[in-house]
Amino acid sequence: RKEVEQDPGPFNVPEGATVAFNCTYSNSASQSFFWYRQDCRKEPKLLMSVYSSGNEDGRFTAQLNRASQYISLLIRDSKLSDSATYLCVVNVGFYNAGNNRKLIWGLGTSLAVNP
Amino acid sequence: NAGVTQTPKFQVLKTGQSMTLQCAQDMNHNSMYWYRQDPGMGLRLIYYSASEGTTDKGEVPNGYNVSRLNKREFSLRLESAAPSQTSVYFCASSRGLGDNEQFFGPGTRLTVL
Repeated sequence: RKEVEQDPGPFNVPEGATVAFNCTYSNSASQSFFWYRQDCRKEPKLLMSVYSSGNEDGRFTAQLNRASQYISLLIRDSKLSDSATYLCVVNVGFYNAGNNRKLIWGLGTSLAVNP
Repeated sequence: NAGVTQTPKFQVLKTGQSMTLQCAQDMNHNSMYWYRQDPGMGLRLIYYSASEGTTDKGEVPNGYNVSRLNKREFSLRLESAAPSQTSVYFCASSRGLGDNEQFFGPGTRLTVL
């Protein structure tokens, strides 16, 4: 089983729709969770961290379910500009030296918001 | 601030040729990383540098070497390019190793024929 798994999509939704993505992780020792956004042929950028209590940033809501080992991202009132790939990232395992945890990247979920 | 810059943006090589990908950051970050991104494989860590003067292997280091030239610059060298190294290469930096937010450069699209 992959350490981080996402539905690749694509999710095609109309403007104004609400869409949700899930991401499952295999290592129960994972400590921190994030959503990064990657536009087509661009670099990834941090969208938001995912806190145990859930967190919201405008139209975006992130949730963590430790018991079932998944995180989710909810986008309300989708905009054309939300079209991108959303990467689930989990902080687990260690770099070779020391005790610094490293990021494990999911393959991403593709979202296309249509007019 | 430019953030993280990479050169070149595009490159085509023939099998066996060598080249160096350059990366620089102006955010005074201690840690820097090289990733490759391939369809169906996601981002995979090639090498990283926890701080100036140190480098270490990531998940897929074979065929690559790196140099942390100073705090700002971290280069990736392909000594003898192979078609399997056709990929998009991203450099990233963070304040410290294990910091959750990594800042990425725009990427280098490399094709090896």
